[in-house]
Amino acid sequence: AQSVTQLGSHVSVSEGALVLLRCNYSSSVPPYLFWYVQYPNQGLQLLLKYTSAATLVKGINGFEAEFKKSETSFHLTKPSAHMSDAAEYFCAVSLVGGSNYKLTFGKGTLLTVNP
Amino acid sequence: ETGVTQSPTHLIKTRGQQVTLRCSSQSGHNTVSWYQQALGQGPQFIFQYYREEENGRGNFPPRFSGLQFPNYSSELNVNALELDDSALYLCAYRSALTGNTIYFGEGSWLTVV
Repeated sequence: AQSVTQLGSHVSVSEGALVLLRCNYSSSVPPYLFWYVQYPNQGLQLLLKYTSAATLVKGINGFEAEFKKSETSFHLTKPSAHMSDAAEYFCAVSLVGGSNYKLTFGKGTLLTVNP
Repeated sequence: ETGVTQSPTHLIKTRGQQVTLRCSSQSGHNTVSWYQQALGQGPQFIFQYYREEENGRGNFPPRFSGLQFPNYSSELNVNALELDDSALYLCAYRSALTGNTIYFGEGSWLTVV
């Protein structure tokens, strides 16, 4: 079984500060890992994904994440926060291979950016 | 823009009624899945359809059912609605062109009163 734990349900940063959103996963087999962003009253938008290629993954809007197998982590970072980054962020895991593409999500982290 | 379209965007139903939510993809991706997102929670996997057959299901009762049509569009049906069914229902398509990337629609907000 797979699971995702997002540490911190709410993270608040100042505009221009580093953004760090934490995600730890549990999977019995090599996983695919994803970060999605959800703006108020909208669906999910893919930020980036890890699919067993490079461990440092770059996504949209200046975000990146590093897969660390030894720490079972996939933390999301952005060097400088912008007001438009305020949203809810979800980390998700799915299994590699097979025909079932089920995503297992964490509970989400709400990012607030202060001026 | 993910190319995934869901309808309706909002609806209100009474407890005990039935609801049908619809989803389509512009690109005809052949794997579609549905998720339920309760307020303040992460999305929960309901089920997945591949080539018109269900091939994966989460921890949801049988009153949650679905269909996938030859054009790959899909429906989610929920019978005997309960108050706890109030949630955002998200449809997602897998893109074979980009590996295991899954693209979501904007969702259908269901309120059960």
